[in-house]
Amino acid sequence: RKEVEQDPGPFNVPEGATVAFNCTYSNSASQSFFWYRQDCRKEPKLLMSVYSSGNEDGRFTAQLNRASQYISLLIRDSKLSDSATYLCVVTPASNTGKLIFGQGTTLQVKP
Amino acid sequence: DTGVSQDPRHKITKRGQNVTFRCDPISEHNRLYWYRQTLGQGPEFLTYFQNEAQLEKSRLLSDRFSAERPKGSFSTLEIQRTEQGDSAMYLCASSPMTGGAGELFFGEGSRLTVL
Repeated sequence: RKEVEQDPGPFNVPEGATVAFNCTYSNSASQSFFWYRQDCRKEPKLLMSVYSSGNEDGRFTAQLNRASQYISLLIRDSKLSDSATYLCVVTPASNTGKLIFGQGTTLQVKP
Repeated sequence: DTGVSQDPRHKITKRGQNVTFRCDPISEHNRLYWYRQTLGQGPEFLTYFQNEAQLEKSRLLSDRFSAERPKGSFSTLEIQRTEQGDSAMYLCASSPMTGGAGELFFGEGSRLTVL
């Protein structure tokens, strides 16, 4: 079983739609959680950290469910510029700086 | 530009040759990471350093891969006796964190093609 699993998609949505991505992780000791964004042929960049209480950054909302070992990212009012691959990232334990990336979920926002 | 820089950006080599990639992290970042990424996959962890100490190395790495960060600044990743399966984008990232995990700042990568 992969340490971090994501549905690769692609998710094709119209502008203005709300879309949600899910991610599951296998190690219950995982402590830190992130969503990264990767544009085509570019390097990954941090989109947002994910906190236990859930957190929001503009149109983006991240949720963590430790009991189910599940992370989600919700994007409201999708823009064409949101088209990218969204990578779920997890640290496998509390005493490490190692970050494990999921396969990524590809989003295509259509006009 | 004070971001993470990688060199070379592209490398084409024949199977069996050795290749070396260099990464210059953001100045004063303690941590430096190497990842490998193939088409349609997320970055795969290879190794990371805190200053000059190599703290973790992936079990997926064979003995043909070695990384160094001798003075805690730049790092090199060497692949010996390259195989076609080594063809990938090799990403370097740095982080100012010293405990736990934090934001990684990635370079643009070094693309390796093994013929």
